[in-house]
Amino acid sequence: DSGVTQTPKHLITATGQRVTLRCSPRSGDLSVYWYQQSLDQGLQFLIQYYNGEERAKGNILERFSAQQFPDLHSELNLSSLELGDSALYFCASSGRGVSYNEQFFGPGTRLTVL
Amino acid sequence: GQQLNQSPQSMFIQEGEDVSMNCTSSSIFNTWLWYKQDPGEGPVLLIALYKAGELTSNGRLTAQFGITRKDSFLNISASIPSDVGIYFCAGQLPSGTYKYIFGTGTRLKVLA
Repeated sequence: DSGVTQTPKHLITATGQRVTLRCSPRSGDLSVYWYQQSLDQGLQFLIQYYNGEERAKGNILERFSAQQFPDLHSELNLSSLELGDSALYFCASSGRGVSYNEQFFGPGTRLTVL
Repeated sequence: GQQLNQSPQSMFIQEGEDVSMNCTSSSIFNTWLWYKQDPGEGPVLLIALYKAGELTSNGRLTAQFGITRKDSFLNISASIPSDVGIYFCAGQLPSGTYKYIFGTGTRLKVLA
């Protein structure tokens, strides 16, 4: 158990809909990262937050947005969903002590868009 | 999007054999991380490397940060069936970006 939690574990929705994925980082970690992993693909970095502020952006679509709240949990919002958005979405956290660079991943949310 | 070149893509080995895989890039990285992912699960951090030339072990796993800072290697000695999974490398771009680029993965299958 990495200490990172993600909800929900599975999500099935229709095209055009909007969903929100939630992530709670490990206790004490200030950074949260979001990744997308399509079937049998590698991990694509979407966005990073550090202590409530956006720190780095990757290949995140304009239809996607994220935020990190004062209690450090983060939400990833996906709107106008398309079939191609079906994927595993992972959250990772880092930021504790000398190993601040090491990212610890949650169990993921599997999104299926029908 | 950007990805590291990771090889081999997949490998079948016999239990007890040693395994080697590597990641290469045209870019310089500050940090290398190696992860193992089981189907439907989140990646689990195996080893972190912070300096060029660094060699770090974690049990039967040994990883090295290439001298050029453009590559990294992971070796698994005396493989066992539970080593099955997908291994990913991740490189952190030079300071100021906080971005990690992930490799394409090496799918390992161990034959008992």
